[in-house]
Amino acid sequence: GAVVSQHPSWVICKSGTSVKIECRSLDFQATTMFWYRQFPKQSLMLMATSNEGSKATYEQGVEKDKFLINHASLTLSTLTVTSAHPEDSSFYICSARDGAVAFFGQGTRLTVV
Amino acid sequence: AQKVTQAQTEISVVEKEDVTLDCVYETRDTTYYLFWYKQPPSGELVFLIRRNSFDEQNEISGRYSWNFQKSTSSFNFTITASQVVDSAVYFCALSDENRDDKIIFGKGTRLHILP
Repeated sequence: GAVVSQHPSWVICKSGTSVKIECRSLDFQATTMFWYRQFPKQSLMLMATSNEGSKATYEQGVEKDKFLINHASLTLSTLTVTSAHPEDSSFYICSARDGAVAFFGQGTRLTVV
Repeated sequence: AQKVTQAQTEISVVEKEDVTLDCVYETRDTTYYLFWYKQPPSGELVFLIRRNSFDEQNEISGRYSWNFQKSTSSFNFTITASQVVDSAVYFCALSDENRDDKIIFGKGTRLHILP
């Protein structure tokens, strides 16, 4: 099946710094990718839709200036958590569709200390 | 509005028992897709099945089977002869063509298979 690769798998950063997470579709092109956030023992909450060559679409309540999304090519979307705070600590996971099926990256566990 | 309800928060069964995970969905759209994903402790989401709204045939894949009933807006998932490796969180999800392919997830059911 299609593969979506996410990097890094985990990251620890200091409060106030920024962290970039990459999401790549390895064997297919994706004009649209999605970013989700998952708190411990919770469901996945859609944060934003990343559109290749245009601005991302954010879900209600998600700060677009804090969670910067760039979809520069058909195989790469990045999520940058700016000025991270401990409450941003979470599991972030991306997905991309290959036809009708959405495949997910391995996820990135972010810990802000 | 779209919504996916997985009423069972956590289930524990003894190995080799059958277990059914319930999923009820809400949508106003006539064309939509239903999914099941497995999330093992490692965190990645593993795709299990996709079903479109026009295909109500039940599906069987090995020990897994799915029952799609539009009349009750349900898409239940059954594991027969459960194994310890089936222990994971299982998510039911919904998307439709008119909402930019966004997938909306249920809250998940944490399944424990006891040896």
